[in-house]
Parts: sequence; C-alpha cells; structure tokens
Amino acid sequence: EIVLTQSPGTLSLSPGERATLSCRASQSVSSSYLAWYQQKPGQAPRLLIYGASSRATGIPDRFSGSGSGTDFTLTISRLEPEDFAVYYCQQYGSSPFTFGGGTKVEIK
Amino acid sequence: EVQLVQSGAEVKKPGESLKISCKGSGYSFTSYWIGWVRQMPGKGLEWMGIIYPGDSDTRYSPSFQGQVTISADKSISTAYLQWSSLKASDTAMYYCVRGGYFDYWGQGTLVTVSS
Repeated sequence: EIVLTQSPGTLSLSPGERATLSCRASQSVSSSYLAWYQQKPGQAPRLLIYGASSRATGIPDRFSGSGSGTDFTLTISRLEPEDFAVYYCQQYGSSPFTFGGGTKVEIK
Repeated sequence: EVQLVQSGAEVKKPGESLKISCKGSGYSFTSYWIGWVRQMPGKGLEWMGIIYPGDSDTRYSPSFQGQVTISADKSISTAYLQWSSLKASDTAMYYCVRGGYFDYWGQGTLVTVSS
C-alpha cells in the first residue's frame, strides 16, 4: 500500500500570498496518477488536479500541480478568500488507492 | 449533467445491518468505476473500495476488506455499500465517487451508530 504524507499539516497565509503544499509517497506513483482535492466545511471534496498536473474542469488557473515519482506539489499562486480550505492528495496508480492526511490552509 | 445521488442519513444501533445507495445519472454507468470514501467526524478521507458496474469487478482497501460489501445493480445505475453488523466506529460520512480519480462526488450519507 502506498502511504501519502502531506506537509505541512497547517499553512497560515494571507489572501494574495502563494501557497505551496507537498505530498510525498512511500513508493513511486505509477504514471503520475496523483490527484488533489479541496474540501470546505460541510461540503463534499472537489477535484482540482488529476494526472499530477492537469486541472479539472472549471478549476481556476491559479491552481497548478507538479511532480512525479514520489514527490508532488500543489501550488496556489495567489490565494483568494474562497481558497481557505483543506487539501488532500490521492494516488490512483495502484490499489488500494490512498489519500494523504490533508493540509489545512487557514487565514493568517 | 453527471450526478451521483446518495440515500439519506441513517441512525442505527450497534449490531444492525445497513445498505446505503448511490444512483448515477447523466453518463454511462457501466463505463466508470464507482468508489466509496469514508470520512469520520473531524478526520480525513479514507478510500474503502471500488466496483466496475460493467462486470462487477470489485477491489477493497485492506482496512475495509471483510467489514463492508460493495455491489452494484447496473439495471438501475445504482451502487451500494452495506454492513452486516454495524459498530459505533462506523459512524461517519460516506461518499460515493466516480472513477479512479474522483471527478464527481455524491452529496454524502451520514451514518450514525449509537445505542
């Protein structure tokens, strides 16, 4: 089973700042089958990025994903008020598919 | 429009059985994997397993193997998650999801298990 470790656990930033979230895998994620999700309180998660770097439909271009192998990054170029939420990475390259523990992006 | 619509909230006692559902619409139900994700109160997301409705191929997370059963009825475009004997620790929100990466999510079904 691939274990995903997200860091930091919490990121305290101000609107307009850049956010960099990390997701590290315990073994290589095949074909960069790595996705990122955003979850706000009381809501179902929403897909942001798949295939490590492809934005899902309707996702603003301030969200970008990068990485391969065991190290992946989600970058939010300039935080908007609606971006403060919890972010999860997920690998779907090998079963069991697994999630990281999440990074909370909070307002500083 | 693609939609996954889940059954409503449930309150059960320990030891009872339960089957919750997820109805897909707006796409070819038999052509996409359908999965289940658990979120315990205040916690993160956990992948439970997936099923391919086209041929009923099913995969489980080792953490949930033997604890739940995932099934699907392609004639009515509906997937199911069931328990034969609930525990208090099964209290959680359960989401159904489409695909290997989850491009569509159901609204969630809150399951509360309490004596």
